[in-house]
Amino acid sequence: DQQVKQNSPSLSVQEGRISILNCDYTNSMFDYFLWYKKYPAEGPTFLISISSIKDKNEDGRFTVFLNKSAKHLSLHIVPSQPGDSAVYFCAASVYGGSQGNLIFGKGTKLSVKP
Amino acid sequence: NAGVMQNPRHLVRRRGQEARLRCSPMKGHSHVYWYRQLPEEGLKFMVYLQKENIIDESGMPKERFSAEFPKEGPSILRIQQVVRGDSAAYFCASQTGYNTEAFFGQGTRLTVV
Repeated sequence: DQQVKQNSPSLSVQEGRISILNCDYTNSMFDYFLWYKKYPAEGPTFLISISSIKDKNEDGRFTVFLNKSAKHLSLHIVPSQPGDSAVYFCAASVYGGSQGNLIFGKGTKLSVKP
Repeated sequence: NAGVMQNPRHLVRRRGQEARLRCSPMKGHSHVYWYRQLPEEGLKFMVYLQKENIIDESGMPKERFSAEFPKEGPSILRIQQVVRGDSAAYFCASQTGYNTEAFFGQGTRLTVV
């Protein structure tokens, strides 16, 4: 049973436009969420995170929105650049939990076309 | 400050052999996690270790897989008697503590022939 779901395996956008990547979760205990970016043959790279006490966190071109009631979060990239082309993973964990391990979605492959 | 170091980057083993994957966490990080990524899948948690302790191994297959993080030296993920289904990318991540971002190594790609 997948606790973190990224329902779009791929997304294609034009350079300069907005990229919106979506993520849904089922475990109401999750209250810390992260986005990672991954290039082929590389490890995931941390992008941005948000805790459940917030509904928005912004870092440069990247903004993460959290809708707790809908158990949904999204990553907005504005403006999109060709170098953003990668696989983006959504991950979640339980804040204050004793484990700290992350539960990952299956990823969304973003292609930004020049 | 070097990042998380994993070696080897690529490992080829014949069925029945042993595979040893090594991970050196970032300096100052005492929490190490191992994840496995199968083709077209997300990363799946395997095991969480702190120095000399296995904290959570709920994601580890019950047989053939083991992990350690000794007082000195890297963390080791060991797979005995490998089978083709073990072929995957294995990633190690380290954190300073709970609920901090995990920093990942570049992974070890294991191919079982």
